Amino acid sequence: DTAVSQTPKYLVTQMGNDKSIKCEQNLGHDTMYWYKQDSKKFLKIMFSYNNKELIINETVPNRFSPKSPDKAHLNLHINSLELGDSAVYFCASSLRSGASEQFFGPGTRLTVL
Amino acid sequence: DQQVKQNSPSLSVQEGRISILNCDYTNSMFDYFLWYKKYPAEGPTFLISISSIKDKNEDGRFTVFLNKSAKHLSLHIVPSQPGDSAVYFCAARVANAGGTSYGKLTFGQGTILTVHP
Repeated sequence: DTAVSQTPKYLVTQMGNDKSIKCEQNLGHDTMYWYKQDSKKFLKIMFSYNNKELIINETVPNRFSPKSPDKAHLNLHINSLELGDSAVYFCASSLRSGASEQFFGPGTRLTVL
Repeated sequence: DQQVKQNSPSLSVQEGRISILNCDYTNSMFDYFLWYKKYPAEGPTFLISISSIKDKNEDGRFTVFLNKSAKHLSLHIVPSQPGDSAVYFCAARVANAGGTSYGKLTFGQGTILTVHP
C-alpha cells in the first residue's frame, strides 16, 4: 500500500491553463506539505496543512492554492500556468506539525509549454 | 539565500569503501538535522537525523556527524554498497519555530552518490 500517493505522475500543459495535483496519505498523519523542486534541485516548502488548517504558507504566487478537504488529502491547484512553474512537485506528510520526519510522495513532474 | 548547501553535486565511490557526504548551513537557529535518500522517480525517504545537542548519531552503516561551530554536518556510509546509489539531501529545521514556519524543513540541493561494484 502506497503511504503517500500523488496524481498525476506527469503533467504536460500549455501556458495559461489551470491544473490540479492531488495528494492522499493513508498513514493517519495530521500534517501534509507541498514542496517544489526547481531546476537547481532545491526542495522548497510551499504550504503545510495541519488537520485541514493552513500552518505554513511560503512566498508563492497566489496562483497556487492548496485545498485540504480532510486531513488525508491535500490538493494543489495552479491557475494561469507559467513556464516557470515547470518543476517536480512533492507532497509529504508527517505525524503532526513540528515532527521532522516527513514521508514523501513520488512527485509530479509538471511541464508547462 | 540558500541556508542549507551541499556543495558537491556528485560523489563516486568504490563498493566497500566509505562514502562521505557533506552539508553546510548558515542559520544558527537550526537545531535539528536530517538526511534523506532519493531514488529516481521516487520521493525522498528519511534516512537518519541528529539533534544539535549531539555531535554524532549512528544507525547501522550510516553515521551523521555534526560540527556546530563550523555549521557543518556529514553523512558517512561504511561500507558503501551499490544499492546506496541515490541522491542524498540534507535538511534542517528550526525547532519550536512559531507562526508560519512551524515544522518547516529547509533542504539542500542534493548530492548524487554512485557506488561502483
